[in-house]
Amino acid sequence: DVKVTQSSRYLVKRTGEKVFLECVQDMDHENMFWYRQDPGLGLRLIYFSYDVKMKEKGDIPEGYSVSREKKERFSLILESASTNQTSMYLCASSYQMTGYYEQYFGPGTRLTVT
Amino acid sequence: AQKVTQAQTEISVVEKEDVTLDCVYETRDTTYYLFWYKQPPSGELVFLIRRNSFDEQNEISGRYSWNFQKSTSSFNFTITASQVVDSAVYFCALIHYNQGGKLIFGQGTELSVKP
Repeated sequence: DVKVTQSSRYLVKRTGEKVFLECVQDMDHENMFWYRQDPGLGLRLIYFSYDVKMKEKGDIPEGYSVSREKKERFSLILESASTNQTSMYLCASSYQMTGYYEQYFGPGTRLTVT
Repeated sequence: AQKVTQAQTEISVVEKEDVTLDCVYETRDTTYYLFWYKQPPSGELVFLIRRNSFDEQNEISGRYSWNFQKSTSSFNFTITASQVVDSAVYFCALIHYNQGGKLIFGQGTELSVKP
C-alpha cells in the first residue's frame, strides 16, 4: 500500500511565525505535490516537485516555499504565517511513468493561524 | 482550456438508493486520463479509479460503476444501493499525459447518505 504521511493533523500557529509542514512518501514516487483546500474553492495546487531539489510553482505559490532534499520528503514552508493561510493542507505523490498519474494523498494538516 | 465541472454541489439520498455523480470535462487533447477520488470526513483523499481517453469501457467495482462517454465529455460515477459509509465529498479530476502529473480537479460533490 502507498503511504503518504504528514507531520501533523492539526496545527495552531501565530501570525508571523515560520511554519514547516512535512510530507513523506514510501513508494519511491518521483512527483510530489502540495495543495490547500478551502470551502468553495476546491483543491488548489501550491507547489510541486518532479525530482530532488527541483520545484515548480503551482496556481497559488505566493507566501509559500518548498524544499525537497530527499526523494521521499517534500516540505512546505510558510515564511511568515498569516491568517489567510488558515486552511487544510494536503500532500500527494505520484509516479512519473506514462499512464500512472494517480496521486496518492496524505491525511492532511489542518492549520489555523491566529 | 482544461476544466472539470461537477455541477452537483450537494446530493442527499436515503440508504439503499442509487445515486449518480456527474462529471463533465473540457480538453483539446486526445490523450488524457480521468480520475475519481473520495474524501470522507476524516479528510484524506482516496483514489478510486483511473481511466484513459482510449478506453471507453464502463467499469464496475462492487457497488461502484463508472460511465465514460467521450461523445459528451462525461465521466459519471454511480453508487448502487448507497450506504451511510458512502457519505463523503467526491472529486473528479483530469490530467493530460504530457502535463507532468498536474491534476485538474472539479469542485467536488458532497454526498450525504441518510439511514
